[in-house]
Amino acid sequence: EVQLVESGGGLVQPGGSLRLSCVVSGFTFSTYWMHWVRQAPGKGLVWVSRINNDGSGTSYADSVKGRFTISRDNAKNTLYLQMNSLRAEDTAVYYCARIGLWGQGTLVTVSS
Amino acid sequence: QTVVTQEPSFSVSPGGTVTLTCGLSSGSVSTSDYPSWYQQTPGQAPRTLIYNTNTRSSGVPDRFSGSILGNKAALTITGAQADDESDYYCVFYMGGGMVFGGGTKLTVL
Repeated sequence: EVQLVESGGGLVQPGGSLRLSCVVSGFTFSTYWMHWVRQAPGKGLVWVSRINNDGSGTSYADSVKGRFTISRDNAKNTLYLQMNSLRAEDTAVYYCARIGLWGQGTLVTVSS
Repeated sequence: QTVVTQEPSFSVSPGGTVTLTCGLSSGSVSTSDYPSWYQQTPGQAPRTLIYNTNTRSSGVPDRFSGSILGNKAALTITGAQADDESDYYCVFYMGGGMVFGGGTKLTVL
């Protein structure tokens, strides 16, 4: 089955860190650019970050640049998002995605 | 910053045909923008309907189709059904990232 499964979300205090993972199956992970997208409660989808298929190129939204790091392990079919210096406004459901496919999301809540 | 525009709302009768569109502030939409359409209900993850302009995602009924009409991406629903009532969003893969539309609320009545 073709799917993306995120994990690693949870409650964290402002200034804290979390590492999200996205395990993929059913397709050749190493041939796809991958993205992280987030959706704050009641709001629309917002692109967060992108990594190209071999990990040699990345891009970030201005709102997370310098705080978040996207990476991938093609041998493990896994995408990651390291999130540091978290703020209340980072509270959202985080989805991993590729063209044509979305995961189910993992909720990150930043609150004291 | 590219802005994506969608109709805020649309209405269609059961069995009718509706075309939703998605435009870019930067100019005409092309296939190299990889326009995609997804459906999202509150509290649920997005469900891809169409990607790469006109490729239907697995399991999506063939009453959903994608195209480029004029200078916009388009999603056409032929033979609308009651459970098509939902929010529909477009997204473009461009500039190394993704750019989202604000969504169209489709009512079937």
